[in-house]
Amino acid sequence: GAVVSQHPSRVICKSGTSVKIECRSLDFQATTMFWYRQFPKKSLMLMATSNEGSKATYEQGVEKDKFLINHASLTLSTLTVTSAHPEDSSFYICSAPQGTANEKLFFGSGTQLSVL
Amino acid sequence: AQSVTQLGSHVSVSEGALVLLRCNYSSSVPPYLFWYVQYPNQGLQLLLKYTSAATLVKGINGFEAEFKKSETSFHLTKPSAHMSDAAEYFCAVRPSEAGGYNKLIFGAGTRLAVHP
Repeated sequence: GAVVSQHPSRVICKSGTSVKIECRSLDFQATTMFWYRQFPKKSLMLMATSNEGSKATYEQGVEKDKFLINHASLTLSTLTVTSAHPEDSSFYICSAPQGTANEKLFFGSGTQLSVL
Repeated sequence: AQSVTQLGSHVSVSEGALVLLRCNYSSSVPPYLFWYVQYPNQGLQLLLKYTSAATLVKGINGFEAEFKKSETSFHLTKPSAHMSDAAEYFCAVRPSEAGGYNKLIFGAGTRLAVHP
């Protein structure tokens, strides 16, 4: 089956630094990818839709300049948390739809970000 | 507008007992419904989905769910729980239109504990 690879699985960084998270579709092309944030014991909240070759679409309340998304190829989307602060600590998950009508959605294994 | 309500944030069952995880939805358009499972520090895996075909949907690992339009419910069941079923379960809804994954809404999740 289709696989979405997400790296790193865990990252600890100092406040004020930037962190990049990669999401790759390993055996299919994804013109669209989704980025979610999950707080402890909470549900997933869609942050943005990453579009290959064009700007990402951000959900209401998500800071575009804080969470930079780049989708430079059909198999790779990146999320960069800029000038990270402790409140950015969270579990971030990506996903990519697959199929002729994007009828299937595959998730990455997630990235646990801890900002000290 | 769509929403998902999962009744019970924690469910505990004995090994071999029936598993019942409740999900109610609201949708102004015909919905597609999903159950996902999340193991600790991992992404989501699809258990099963309803896409307007049979109302009783069978998924992986012995799980099944029944779409009941009159009750706006999509409860997840498994006749006999295994220890390996302990995880977080998410119900999700999206519009049935093509490419509707950018409108996928997750419930708050139910943590299933299985004890010997």
